[in-house]
Amino acid sequence: GAVVSQHPSRVICKSGTSVKIECRSLDFQATTMFWYRQFPKQSLMLMATSNEGSKATYEQGVEKDKFLINHASLTLSTLTVTSAHPEDSSFYICSAWTGAGPNYGYTFGSGTRLTVV
Amino acid sequence: KQEVTQIPAALSVPEGENLVLNCSFTDSAIYNLQWFRQDPGKGLTSLLLIQSSQREQTSGRLNASLDKSSGRSTLYIAASQPGDSATYLCAVQTGANNLFFGTGTRLTVIP
Repeated sequence: GAVVSQHPSRVICKSGTSVKIECRSLDFQATTMFWYRQFPKQSLMLMATSNEGSKATYEQGVEKDKFLINHASLTLSTLTVTSAHPEDSSFYICSAWTGAGPNYGYTFGSGTRLTVV
Repeated sequence: KQEVTQIPAALSVPEGENLVLNCSFTDSAIYNLQWFRQDPGKGLTSLLLIQSSQREQTSGRLNASLDKSSGRSTLYIAASQPGDSATYLCAVQTGANNLFFGTGTRLTVIP
């Protein structure tokens, strides 16, 4: 079935550094991927929509210069948290729309736990 | 703006019991509704997707219903098992790329 692979699963970084998170569609092509953030005991909040070959679309309140998204191929989208601060510590999850077929629907990656110290 | 609510926020049941999780949404103009399971610190696993034209979907011990006109969906879990313990999220799709999530129901099945 449709699988979205997300790496790393956990990352700890120092304040001020940048962290890159990768999201890959393993057995299908994803022209559009989505990046969510989830704070403890809260639901998922959409941060941005990543479009292959074009600029990402950011939700209101999400800083595009801080959360850089690159979708250079049909199977890979990356989220880079630049100049990370402790308040950026969160659980980041990507997803892709799998389109028609038996796996119709949204498929999610396994998430990345980011801790900024 | 679409708002999705899940009740209850948390639920504990003894093993073997049947249970129902509820999801309500404010805007009935949806493309589909999807139920997910999330284990602690993990991503989301899709359980069932109901198209707007459908009324229910079944997979094993799970049955999801959709009443679009009233803005409600239920997830029925039969013969619950400790392995069913997780947070269950419902999400409605209202546009090409618009997916709105509920806050989830945290289920604990007690052996």
